[in-house]
Amino acid sequence: QVQLVQSGAEVKKPGASVKVSCKASGYTFTTYYMHWVRQAPGQGLEWMGIINPSSDVTNYAQKFQGRVSMTRDTSTSTVYMELSSLRSEDSAVYYCTRSLYGDYGSPYFDYWGQGTLVTVSS
Amino acid sequence: SSELTQDPAVSVALGQTVRITCQGDSLRSYYASWYQQKPGQAPVLVIYDKSNRPSGIPDRFSGSSSGNTAALTITGAQAEDEADYYCNSRDSSGNHLVFGGGTKLTVL
Repeated sequence: QVQLVQSGAEVKKPGASVKVSCKASGYTFTTYYMHWVRQAPGQGLEWMGIINPSSDVTNYAQKFQGRVSMTRDTSTSTVYMELSSLRSEDSAVYYCTRSLYGDYGSPYFDYWGQGTLVTVSS
Repeated sequence: SSELTQDPAVSVALGQTVRITCQGDSLRSYYASWYQQKPGQAPVLVIYDKSNRPSGIPDRFSGSSSGNTAALTITGAQAEDEADYYCNSRDSSGNHLVFGGGTKLTVL
């Protein structure tokens, strides 16, 4: 069965970086795009970006350009999301999620990781 | 602000029908997908490609789309349907993805 298992909760100081991992299993890792989505406390879902595990090509939301990096390790079927220059507003649950594309290239997310809580506090 | 607009909150009486909408220019070109999220849980896909349901999603959930508006309809809402619902699609450029702000559904 498909599983996305994320790394554990993190507490970081402002200005630091955090790297969250997402280990995929139950399917061929390189055949599905992976996205990162975050959710601040009491807020909605926010798309951060996408990585193609086959080509390593990435595409980031404008808001995170220059501060986020998504990478993958095909030997361990793991994707990583690193966010730098952390500030308090980055405190959120971060999810990895696998996507498919349907009619007209319309995306949808069929499996999600369990989420990783990142707390940014001095 | 989001390029996909949802009503912040909607309520429905138990067993009645409720429609949750999502508006945005990109929906003229792309379908929305819909996610249900309960407190403390990851989102769950309920509708994709306008009106397709993943296996395991009850058939009381249905989707539709017209012009710049996508809609999620729950026919015969149950207590367990009380949750936040989010739409997602491409943004107006087509190059990035975006979520709607979410709709909190209360089942009375």
